Amino acid sequence: QAQLVQSGAEVKRPGASVKVSCKASGYIFIDFYLHWVRQAPGQGLEWMGWVGPKSGDTNYVQKFQGRVAMTRDTSINTVYLEIQRLRSDDTAVYYCVRDGNFDMWGQGTMVTVSS
Amino acid sequence: DVVVTQSPLSLPVTLGQPASISCRSNQSLVYSDGNTYLNWFQQRPGQSPRRLIYKVSNRDSGVPDRFSGSGSATDFTLKISRVEAEDVGIYYCMQSTHWPPWTFGQGTKVEIK
Repeated sequence: QAQLVQSGAEVKRPGASVKVSCKASGYIFIDFYLHWVRQAPGQGLEWMGWVGPKSGDTNYVQKFQGRVAMTRDTSINTVYLEIQRLRSDDTAVYYCVRDGNFDMWGQGTMVTVSS
Repeated sequence: DVVVTQSPLSLPVTLGQPASISCRSNQSLVYSDGNTYLNWFQQRPGQSPRRLIYKVSNRDSGVPDRFSGSGSATDFTLKISRVEAEDVGIYYCMQSTHWPPWTFGQGTKVEIK
């Protein structure tokens, strides 16, 4: 069955970078854009941006521009979210989500930023 | 950006009783193709969100028929006809008509009295 499987939890220092992966299976990878959504502890859902699997085109929420990069590797059906210059308020669970009206979600990756 | 507002934010319910969540947007969510892209998600404790309803009223596969969505333009409702223990969690509406960005409501926490 179709699924999105994300990489494991990360603990980082402020100022460091993190790269989270999301591997798609069970469907044609290039047919669907993939979104990244984050959820800070006890908070709601926030859309961050998306990446096009065929061309690699991206669109980011303005607040993340310059600090976030979403990329893909079509050879292994995987998309990546990299966040640079991490801050404590980046502590959150990060989800990859398939386009198609957000019909499929990864299991989430907890990123903790702490000194 | 489209602002989506849910109410109430907390909803204590008795098992077997109905529950209703409202979602309002500050712009019409009717797209140029005639569809209205308003979705509902359930997030059980410790789990990823799961889509329940898409395009206002279409239930996803495997979603019990006690869940129903309705509404139009700027006003939408998610109803649970008889709440069960497994329905505890946070419910979000999300609009995907005017993007980017895609925007979510604040979430409504459903708990058992």
